[in-house]
Amino acid sequence: EIVLTQSPTTTAASPGEKVTITCLASSSVSNMYWYQQKSGASPKLLIYSTSSLASGVPDRFSGSGSGTSYSLTINTMEAEDAATYYCQQWSSNPPTFGAGTKLELK
Amino acid sequence: EIQLQESGPGLVKPSQSLSLTCSVTGYTITSGYDWSWIRKFPGNKMEWMGYISYSGSTNYNPSLKSRISITRDTSKNQFFLQLNSVTTEDTATYYCARTWPYYFDYWGQGVMVTVSS
Repeated sequence: EIVLTQSPTTTAASPGEKVTITCLASSSVSNMYWYQQKSGASPKLLIYSTSSLASGVPDRFSGSGSGTSYSLTINTMEAEDAATYYCQQWSSNPPTFGAGTKLELK
Repeated sequence: EIQLQESGPGLVKPSQSLSLTCSVTGYTITSGYDWSWIRKFPGNKMEWMGYISYSGSTNYNPSLKSRISITRDTSKNQFFLQLNSVTTEDTATYYCARTWPYYFDYWGQGVMVTVSS
C-alpha cells in the first residue's frame, strides 16, 4: 500500500501568516485529497483532486503537487484554521491517509 | 442535506464481534456512491476499512479482509459494519462516510469503541 508522510507533524502560525503542509507519497499518485479535523468533530473535506476546493471552503486554502509530492497551503492563517490536517490518496487500493499535521494558533 | 450517524456499543470484549450501524438521511444509499467505514486510532492514525457500493458490492481493506463484513438494509437506508475477533488494537473512533471515487465527502460524527475486558 502507498504510505503518505506528512510534514511537519506539528506547527504553529500567527494570524495572517502563510502555512504550508507537505505530503510525500511512497509511490506516484494521480491526485491528493486533504481533510481538516477540528477537536471533537469529524473530518471535513477541504481539497479534492489535488487543487479543487470543496464546497464552502475559504479560498485562502489551496492545494498543489504531482507525482509523489503534494502540499496544502493556507495563505493567511486565521484562528478558526487551528486543526489537524490529513492528506489521502486513492490511486491504488487501499486508500491511505497521512499521519496528520496539527496546526496550532500562535 | 445529507447526514450520516453512527451507532453501536461503546465497549466490546476481546475476541468478540464489533457491530456498528450507519444511518443515512437526505440521500438514498441505493441511488449512487459507495458507503465506507473509516477508523481513527488513538494517536491519530486513520484507516479505511471498506465500503459497500450503491449496488451492494463490497471492497475491503486487505489488512482486514478475514475479519470484516459490511452489509446494508435498504429499507432503513442503513449500512453496517461487523468486525470479528477484536483485540485491544481495534480500539478507535469509527466513522461512516459517503464515498466518491476517490475521496470521502460526507462523514458521520463518529463513535468511539473501546475493546477491553
